Amino acid sequence: SQQGEEDPQALSIQEGENATMNCSYKTSINNLQWYRQNSGRGLVHLILIRSNEREKHSGRLRVTLDTSKKSSSLLITASRAADTASYFCATDGTGANNLFFGTGTRLTVIP
Amino acid sequence: EAGVAQSPRYKIIEKRQSVAFWCNPISGHATLYWYQQILGQGPKLLIQFQNNGVVDDSQLPKDRFSAERLKGVDSTLKIQPAKLEDSAVYLCASSDRVRPSGNTIYFGEGSWLTVV
Repeated sequence: SQQGEEDPQALSIQEGENATMNCSYKTSINNLQWYRQNSGRGLVHLILIRSNEREKHSGRLRVTLDTSKKSSSLLITASRAADTASYFCATDGTGANNLFFGTGTRLTVIP
Repeated sequence: EAGVAQSPRYKIIEKRQSVAFWCNPISGHATLYWYQQILGQGPKLLIQFQNNGVVDDSQLPKDRFSAERLKGVDSTLKIQPAKLEDSAVYLCASSDRVRPSGNTIYFGEGSWLTVV
């Protein structure tokens, strides 16, 4: 299966702290994306990192990719209560027509 | 720009009944996806359309699920007869390219199905 796995499954932090969540996958990829899902809502695209990139930033988000270890991490700095959501990584394997989503990390930021 | 529209948002049915979900993708997006998301899990692709043709339906339980995208715009996903394990959120998504590589997929808010 190409499906990724996020770690940890759940994370609870205080507002202002940094949150790090990890994603591991099994097959070669072209790109890896991170999505956020607020409770009861659809998924929202956060950031995409290509297989030839090692690190990417977008606002308070920092994504790293290690293709040798088949893993990625998402760092949210200076977390806010509004960051409370589930975060999913999604990969598009070479030759694949769709995205394969991981199981998600449920982040709770306590005000 | 309007997002992906889905209806109904919530539906409760008894097992063995049928249900249909509707999706209107972002204007101009040729590719449309239906994902199933069971509580606590990530979305799983059911079917992918390119215009009105099927690109991938390998994960669609064809004995009870069907989907169509007439005229290459709106799409309908039907479940008949429903089983308890079909309780999930059904997410419609669209993109302007066939392959997701380097491309963003835009999701609707989902249709929540509870089968009792």
